[in-house]
Amino acid sequence: AQTVTQSQPEMSVQEAETVTLSCTYDTSESDYYLFWYKQPPSRQMILVIRQEAYKQQNATENRFSVNFQKAAKSFSLKISDSQLGDAAMYFCAYTPVTASKLTFGTGTRLQVTL
Amino acid sequence: EAGVAQSPRYKIIEKRQSVAFWCNPISGHATLYWYQQILGQGPKLLIQFQNNGVVDDSQLPKDRFSAERLKGVDSTLKIQPAKLEDSAVYLCASSLAQGTAPSETQYFGPGTRLLVL
Repeated sequence: AQTVTQSQPEMSVQEAETVTLSCTYDTSESDYYLFWYKQPPSRQMILVIRQEAYKQQNATENRFSVNFQKAAKSFSLKISDSQLGDAAMYFCAYTPVTASKLTFGTGTRLQVTL
Repeated sequence: EAGVAQSPRYKIIEKRQSVAFWCNPISGHATLYWYQQILGQGPKLLIQFQNNGVVDDSQLPKDRFSAERLKGVDSTLKIQPAKLEDSAVYLCASSLAQGTAPSETQYFGPGTRLLVL
């Protein structure tokens, strides 16, 4: 069974600084997708970034980028120039290409301070 | 475009009562998902529909949970009878995906927070 582990329950970053959230996963599949979702207090989950396992190039979306290490089964999220609006729960998620079924980690709560 | 709509936003019931949640996906989205998110955990998939057919309900507690998606649009999730451990946020999501298309983004609704006393 696939599992997703987020070992940091909480992280804190100062405004304008950079923070990295960690995620590891376990799968026997060779092809899959990885995602980072953001869940603000309003509870609406929003897709932040997506990585396809067969692509070696790390995905980037504006201030958000990932460090995808396939051999280590590691998928970290880097947020640059942190803003107050980045404060939220961040969930790492996985799905194999054979299905459209997300498996989520337990989340990391990010606080952004002035 | 309108997002995924869910109602009610909050529900408080006593154990052994029944409850139903409603979801209206984004127009044109073929695939609809129901997730259960217990406090402090990530969402867990309960059931996945493609149009009005069930794709995956392997994690749905079928002795008490049921779901339907009539006409391949709106969906309802029902719990009967509710237990204390059913207290959670129930999230609905939808995607354009036809067949297995994991790259299609899942768009989530605001969720329904259920408290079972």
